[in-house]
Amino acid sequence: DQQVKQNSPSLSVQEGRISILNCDYTNSMFDYFLWYKKYPAEGPTFLISISSIKDKNEDGRFTVFLNKSAKHLSLHIVPSQPGDSAVYFCAASALFEGAQKLVFGQGTRLTINP
Amino acid sequence: DVKVTQSSRYLVKRTGEKVFLECVQDMDHENMFWYRQDPGLGLRLIYFSYDVKMKEKGDIPEGYSVSREKKERFSLILESASTNQTSMYLCASSSKKRGFYEQYFGPGTRLTVT
Repeated sequence: DQQVKQNSPSLSVQEGRISILNCDYTNSMFDYFLWYKKYPAEGPTFLISISSIKDKNEDGRFTVFLNKSAKHLSLHIVPSQPGDSAVYFCAASALFEGAQKLVFGQGTRLTINP
Repeated sequence: DVKVTQSSRYLVKRTGEKVFLECVQDMDHENMFWYRQDPGLGLRLIYFSYDVKMKEKGDIPEGYSVSREKKERFSLILESASTNQTSMYLCASSSKKRGFYEQYFGPGTRLTVT
């Protein structure tokens, strides 16, 4: 049972345009959401996060939107740059035995075309 | 800077061999995690530990065990490697501090079982 879903395995965007990556979740107990970026042969690196009590968080070119009623979040990158080409994972957090467990989506491969 | 290191970047083992993957973090984090990453499946949690000598099963623990004898070190053990355990293995750590959600990842170990 996939609790966090990224339905688009890949996305191709022109340099300078907006990239929008989507993520859906099913568990209402998730209290925090994160986006990670992963280059080949490297571990994922944290990009941006949002608390379940907020609907928007912005950090430079990256903005995450949360729609709790729809159980949907999205990551907007504007303007997109070639260095943004990577796999993006969304993750949802739930507390278990004092540890914040993360549940990850399947990932979306973003390609930025020059 | 948080540093999570993994003992090997690439590993090739034969079916039936016992395999040890080591992970060390230098940030005094209480929580440590082992994931595997497979195309189309995202990151799936194998085991995690929220304290020394404590361990909890994740979503796919079958065929794996773990050991945490020291706070900074978390080992993943494949008792008898099989070809379906060929994957990218990622270790992560996080703090137990209230409001701390981010996990920091190591560079990963690409394991091939032949």
